[in-house]
Amino acid sequence: DTGVSQNPRHKITKRGQNVTFRCDPISEHNRLYWYRQTLGQGPEFLTYFQNEAQLEKSRLLSDRFSAERPKGSFSTLEIQRTEQGDSAMYLCASSPWWVPNQPQHFGDGTRLSIL
Amino acid sequence: AQTVTQSQPEMSVQEAETVTLSCTYDTSESDYYLFWYKQPPSRQMILVIRQEAYKQQNATENRFSVNFQKAAKSFSLKISDSQLGDAAMYFCAYRSADAGGTSYGKLTFGQGTILTVHP
Repeated sequence: DTGVSQNPRHKITKRGQNVTFRCDPISEHNRLYWYRQTLGQGPEFLTYFQNEAQLEKSRLLSDRFSAERPKGSFSTLEIQRTEQGDSAMYLCASSPWWVPNQPQHFGDGTRLSIL
Repeated sequence: AQTVTQSQPEMSVQEAETVTLSCTYDTSESDYYLFWYKQPPSRQMILVIRQEAYKQQNATENRFSVNFQKAAKSFSLKISDSQLGDAAMYFCAYRSADAGGTSYGKLTFGQGTILTVHP
């Protein structure tokens, strides 16, 4: 169990640029979640994958955001035409399907700063 | 929709003393799970303790225990014998119980409480 891995740890970009984050969940974890955490606040749910299927998207996930999980392994979160308000920590979490209500395991997050 | 409220933005405690962090939630569901997560500065979020709503007995994990009051929708965390390493942001979180439904296990978090431990 190597834990949930997220890359990059930090991303600084100019407004209007596109960015992509990667999450590698714990091996064999079927469930994968993305959350966004702004400074001093609790994480907010963005989207959920069960294997390769994206089953739920929050209203926070505007059309500039897209997430994928090809082959049900790693996941990517892309933000197009970044805006100041996108500055936040983006957290990925995973949990197994077969253990009922297993708590989610979180990665270190990717901190996005928009100049 | 469920909501989670942590009314204490900051708390402080002396090393070796006891501190209690408060959390209230709102839900119309009868079966759910409650969690306390710890997030040290610039480090990943880790689970501290969890409580199943159908269990009347309060959960305990070493120095950490909860006071779960289902009728009052209250879920406080007590940290005994506080240590310097307990300093972190603490989040209370709610999760619907899995029953093949559409909650998909996502967590709803409170705003967090920053805990400072003084030596």
